[in-house]
Amino acid sequence: NAGVMQNPRHLVRRRGQEARLRCSPMKGHSHVYWYRQLPEEGLKFMVYLQKENIIDESGMPKERFSAEFPKEGPSILRIQQVVRGDSAAYFCASSRIREGDNEKLFFGSGTQLSVL
Amino acid sequence: AQSVAQPEDQVNVAEGNPLTVKCTYSVSGNPYLFWYVQYPNRGLQFLLKYITGDNLVKGSYGFEAEFNKSQTSFHLKKPSALVSDSALYFCAVRDSLPPVNYGGSQGNLIFGKGTKLSVKP
Repeated sequence: NAGVMQNPRHLVRRRGQEARLRCSPMKGHSHVYWYRQLPEEGLKFMVYLQKENIIDESGMPKERFSAEFPKEGPSILRIQQVVRGDSAAYFCASSRIREGDNEKLFFGSGTQLSVL
Repeated sequence: AQSVAQPEDQVNVAEGNPLTVKCTYSVSGNPYLFWYVQYPNRGLQFLLKYITGDNLVKGSYGFEAEFNKSQTSFHLKKPSALVSDSALYFCAVRDSLPPVNYGGSQGNLIFGKGTKLSVKP
């Protein structure tokens, strides 16, 4: 089992460009979570998705940010028109739904986004 | 609203000494509590969790944590620290009362800011 795979590991964008971060959950996991880690602020929840559905996006900024988890392929976190404040490490985690499973999350190694 | 606090930004311990990383929480219902560890340039790894049962929870790498309901705390402990334990440690909490539309899986974990543990030889 390859674990949660995130790519790219490092992404450099100039202000105004788009950033696309990809996450492939662990095999058998159908629930994906995105977190943002800012210096000195720990991990902040952004969005929780199941296949083809956004379950909770309460942590997502209202503009420029979107996420999807299609039936086939990885989950994508998309940031349009990036600004310097978007520079952070973005972590994806996955879990497997099972009755009574009060879960642990499996995290990817993260994508470090740097906006110039 | 649920919240979690890690009051120490950094904990310094000599190798072989016991270590404690503090965590306190606030939830409406019963807490589900977790500790994760982040090594440099790596994703977070699960250490241990408390759902119900014994207040003392044993986890990976010799770590344990004690749930104290009266003090709303879930401090991480290890009897004898190793240099290789140096990392960033995150406490996380989830309320036992998730929103009704969650469909049975995990709701949002709320993470603390993290505590940097430095173990010196």
